[in-house]
Formats: sequence, structure tokens, C-alpha cells
Amino acid sequence: DTGVSQNPRHKITKRGQNVTFRCDPISEHNRLYWYRQTLGQGPEFLTYFQNEAQLEKSRLLSDRFSAERPKGSFSTLEIQRTEQGDSAMYLCASSLPFGLGYGYTFGSGTRLTVV
Amino acid sequence: KQEVTQIPAALSVPEGENLVLNCSFTDSAIYNLQWFRQDPGKGLTSLLLIQSSQREQTSGRLNASLDKSSGRSTLYIAASQPGDSATYLCAAFMEYGNKLVFGAGTILRVKS
Repeated sequence: DTGVSQNPRHKITKRGQNVTFRCDPISEHNRLYWYRQTLGQGPEFLTYFQNEAQLEKSRLLSDRFSAERPKGSFSTLEIQRTEQGDSAMYLCASSLPFGLGYGYTFGSGTRLTVV
Repeated sequence: KQEVTQIPAALSVPEGENLVLNCSFTDSAIYNLQWFRQDPGKGLTSLLLIQSSQREQTSGRLNASLDKSSGRSTLYIAASQPGDSATYLCAAFMEYGNKLVFGAGTILRVKS
């Protein structure tokens, strides 16, 4: 597998339910990022991991959001007590360490609809 | 705080036309700048990556330039085709940060 894989591709949930998304990065990439994109906007940074350590979280990431990357491989993003405002495309990206001159590779995203 | 702006927000051109998409950023302390393509409802596909030490990068009909001093980057698309229709996003990776900062994108429509 040479790309970033995200599952599920689409998720429809009722308000108040919990949802979890998964991201499998490119295997040799030690950095993993989560972004959120709403209609007509560019992606906004949520959080990033270097190996298993979560090094930065955006203020956009409220207490209802939690991300993990156990063992520094795949990552999960969980949203608890979903709200309609959480409806968006959730994008995952991975990269080699900063300074090596390589860019980000993004997955196909998970489209969340909260009804 | 870095802000990235893309102009125009939308562009419609006839097939075969050459076109330029513009990206500006407020903080020149960028490490690199990356252009992406996004088809409706899909993820992002990387088109070109320009390091801060470079002036331009080319891939096929695409050419991207970077001028750090003026805070600008352009994406030039030659001989546009209907298949080029998509949203084009530019993103700056900051020297002092650990994330890409995106513009809102330019929606391109190439009419056949």
C-alpha cells in the first residue's frame, strides 16, 4: 500500500452519538495529521502526531474530540456526543520528518454527516 | 499567524486556454509551499511542492512559482482540459510550525 487509507469513507450519525474514524498512514511516515474541511473552505488543522506522541492540538479540537496513535502506526479520531456543526470532511495526512523536504500525502477523507 | 489567500475564488475558462491561479501568504517564514488538487467530495492530491530555496517546479502542463519576499505563489496550467476541472488549494508549511496552512481554494471549471 503506497497511500494513506481512511475508513469509513462516509458516516451518517444521529446527533449525540459517538463516532470513530481510522487513518492508516504510509508505513515509513512517522508524522500523521488530522484536518477538518467544511464546504467551500480549505482544510483546517486539528492535531498531529510524531510517532505515537501527540505534539500539537488546535483550539478547534474541543473536549469532545480525541485522537490516538498507539504504537505510532494507525490513528483514530473519535468525536463524542456529535453535533450538527461537526458535519465535515475529516482528512488524514502523513509525512516524513520535518526538514527532509517532502510534502504531505493525504487520504481520501471521511465525510461525516450529523443528522 | 499565517494567512493564505487564493485568488480568484472561482474561474471558468474554455478548453485550451492557459491560466494562472494565485496564492498569497502573509508570513514569509515558510519552509515550503505545496499545491493540491481536490475533486468534489474527494481527498487532496499533491501536484507540486516548492522548497523555500527554489523558485519554481514543473510537472507536465503545470508550473508553480514561489516568491517568498513578496509572499506569492502562482500555479500556471497550460493548455487547460476539461479534466483539469477541480478545486486547487495552496498550502504553506511554516519554518516555525508543524502544519500546513491552507487557502480556501480556487474552483476551476474548464468548458469543452
